[in-house]
Amino acid sequence: QVQLVESGGGVVQPGRSLRLSCAASGFTFRNYGMHWVRQAPGKGLEWVAVTSHDGSNQYYADSVRGRFTISRDNSKNTLYLQMNSLRAEDTAVYYCAKGHSSSGGGYIDYWGQGTLVTVSS
Amino acid sequence: EIVMTQSPATLSVSPGERATLSCRASESVNNNLAWYQQKPGQAPRLLIYGASTRATGISARLSGSGSGTEFTLTISSLQSEDFAVYYCQQYNYWYTFGQGTKLEIK
Repeated sequence: QVQLVESGGGVVQPGRSLRLSCAASGFTFRNYGMHWVRQAPGKGLEWVAVTSHDGSNQYYADSVRGRFTISRDNSKNTLYLQMNSLRAEDTAVYYCAKGHSSSGGGYIDYWGQGTLVTVSS
Repeated sequence: EIVMTQSPATLSVSPGERATLSCRASESVNNNLAWYQQKPGQAPRLLIYGASTRATGISARLSGSGSGTEFTLTISSLQSEDFAVYYCQQYNYWYTFGQGTKLEIK
């Protein structure tokens, strides 16, 4: 079965960086686009970024463009999110999620359990 | 940006009854609309895609309808496991979620 396991969350000061990882198993990772979606405490879901199956295309929400970078290593079945210049408003649970297509377009069909990022001094 | 608006914010329904949740898009998203369920402390789970197609393993008590800008998720004969927060998401132009509807026990 599809498993997505995030790691790398924690407490970080404003302006600092953090890298999240997502280990994927149970499907052919290199064939599917992958997303990051976040959820601030007590709030709704916010899409963050998507990468195509081969990593050749990445797209970002306006709120993170220029600060966050999504990438993947298909040899390791792992998705990453490099987060720079972090702000208090980036505090959220970050979910790794599998797209149903190779481009990453379309709906999300599986989600990880999430990792909490807290930006605070 | 396409804005997704869900109504009501909270819906109180008794077990065994039917719940109807609404989602409106600020512009047409064709049928590129998904519904997700989220329970406290858990990740979201895909319920419906393509506005009306149930995901694998999803009960036939759940049904989705609509196209363009107006969409509905209907849950018949509510059971205890159905009480949760429900989100709609458009994927016609990038990706945006509604703010969620909390379905609670009356």
